[in-house]
Order: sequence, then C-alpha cells, then structure tokens
Amino acid sequence: GQNIDQPTEMTATEGAIVQINCTYQTSGFNGLFWYQQHAGEAPTFLSYNVLDGLEEKGRFSSFLSRSKGYSYLLLKELQMKDSASYLCAVKSDDYKLSFGAGTTVTVRA
Amino acid sequence: IAGITQAPTSQILAAGRRMTLRCTQDMRHNAMYWYRQDLGLGLRLIHYSNTAGTTGKGEVPDGYSVSRANTDDFPLTLASAVPSQTSVYFCASSLGQEFNEQFFGPGTRLTVL
Repeated sequence: GQNIDQPTEMTATEGAIVQINCTYQTSGFNGLFWYQQHAGEAPTFLSYNVLDGLEEKGRFSSFLSRSKGYSYLLLKELQMKDSASYLCAVKSDDYKLSFGAGTTVTVRA
Repeated sequence: IAGITQAPTSQILAAGRRMTLRCTQDMRHNAMYWYRQDLGLGLRLIHYSNTAGTTGKGEVPDGYSVSRANTDDFPLTLASAVPSQTSVYFCASSLGQEFNEQFFGPGTRLTVL
C-alpha cells in the first residue's frame, strides 16, 4: 500500500518562507509531484522530482531524497494568493498517483 | 472546449438513484482518471483508463463503473448511490500513463441523501 504523510496546516506571514514536508512509503517510485489547490478549485501542477536534489521554479522549489522517502516544497516571498492546499503525490511502479491528504497554508498579512 | 470539463457542477441525489458524472477533454490525451476528494483523506483514485477501450480499477472502485468508448469522454456511473459516496469528484487526464503532469477538471460536488 501507499503511505504519504504531510502536515495538516501551516500558517505564515506575507513575505516569509514556508517549508512543507512530505514523507512517503510506496510500492515503487516513479516520481514525486506537488500540486496546488485553491479552495473550491481543481488541483494544478506545481513541480515534479524524480532524481535527488532541488528543483527551483521561481518562488517555489521542491526537494527530493529517495533514500529517505522525503520531499519538501519551499514557498518563498509568500503572497496572499499562495493561501491554498498543497498536495504531495507519488507515482508508483504502475504509474498511478497516490496523494497525501494535503497541507493547508494560510498566509497572514 | 479548452482543456477538461465536467458536468454537472453539483448535484443532490437521493440514495438508490443512478447517476452518471460526465468528463470530456479536448487535449487528445490518452490517459484519463477519476478521483474522489474527501476532507482529511486527500484525492483517491477510483478508476482509470490508459487508452480508449481500456479501463482499470483504482484504490476505491466499489460502487462505481466507467467506460471509455473514445479518446475524449470518460463517464463515471454510480449504479445505486449511497450516502458514503457524497464527495467532490475530479476527472483528470494526461498525455499517457507514463507522462508526468495530470490536468484536472473543475470537479463535481455530489451529495447523496
């Protein structure tokens, strides 16, 4: 089975940095994904890691350590519009995505 | 149509009734998926289709059926709805099962009473 853990909620101040951790235990590994989901909307793709290391895309960065079964999503220079849920997902050997329950990030002024 | 659409947007349904949720994409993606999203549980895969004419079971398939008669459409049917099927349903597609990004539709909010 798949087991993907991430914190339920995080709060941060506008302009600050927040790091959302994700740990996983899955049957096989074909990549780790981060999606952003605003309340009442569909998830949208943020990042993909398949090799160890840091992937940077503007204000957002994602890190992966396959040996530790660990990833994080780093959000820099937080803006109010970054208030959303962030979903960690792992693609297993059969190419299916398994999602964590999501981390709700609230950005305060 | 641009991207992936779902209908209806929301629906209230009596238990025992049959319901089909519609999903259409115009991106010529081979793979399509149905997920349900429940508070505290995240997105869970119900059924998937890697290409037209084929379907497979996901993590929570019981009580649901799908068909994939063509590339664009992937309807999800609840043969006899039960209150535990109250959820938000998302359809998604990707170029192929091995491709990375899944594009999600806007979702259908279903309430079974």
